[in-house]
Amino acid sequence: DVKVTQSSRYLVKRTGEKVFLECVQDMDHENMFWYRQDPGLGLRLIYFSYDVKMKEKGDIPEGYSVSREKKERFSLILESASTNQTSMYLCASSLEQRGGVDTQYFGPGTRLTVL
Amino acid sequence: GDSVTQMEGPVTLSEEAFLTINCTYTATGYPSLFWYVQYPGEGLQLLLKATKADDKGSNKGFEATYRKETTSFHLEKGSVQVSDSAVYFCALSERNTPLVFGKGTRLSVIA
Repeated sequence: DVKVTQSSRYLVKRTGEKVFLECVQDMDHENMFWYRQDPGLGLRLIYFSYDVKMKEKGDIPEGYSVSREKKERFSLILESASTNQTSMYLCASSLEQRGGVDTQYFGPGTRLTVL
Repeated sequence: GDSVTQMEGPVTLSEEAFLTINCTYTATGYPSLFWYVQYPGEGLQLLLKATKADDKGSNKGFEATYRKETTSFHLEKGSVQVSDSAVYFCALSERNTPLVFGKGTRLSVIA
């Protein structure tokens, strides 16, 4: 079974702190994604990556950055956390699209609260 | 751009009732369509998918048929159980693009 793990289930940070959310997948997937989930808004794509050291902006990249130094690990970084970044963050991975479409596998999520 | 619209929730049903959750989409090409489910406290997991028109995806008693003429992919189950209580997301993806999700529909099934 594919396993996507996220470093924390719950996280509380203060405004202005730098926050790292880590995601690791164990199935040698090429593609990795970061979403945030908010009530009434569904899932919104923040950043994604199709390869090591590659990154693409999603729909709401402002206030976030990402890092993918190794294939299995995709980090989401909040350079200076703000209260409007309080949310559930979901990481996902998929094998490789090769011009087609792949199933995405999701981690359990990190609920981040910024005070 | 591409978009997915699904019925607002929450939906509350009694056990063994029939379930329909409507989903319609807008896409420029010929997308693949998905239903994902999120159980309480968990991430999303794939429930079923369909990759071309008239395909029917099915899993765990749930079904959805890809209707190109009505741009729809409605989720159905003939007899829901309490364990089906979750949030259901409809999604689409075109070639080489990430998934686009609907806003989710919360289902509560009461015994």
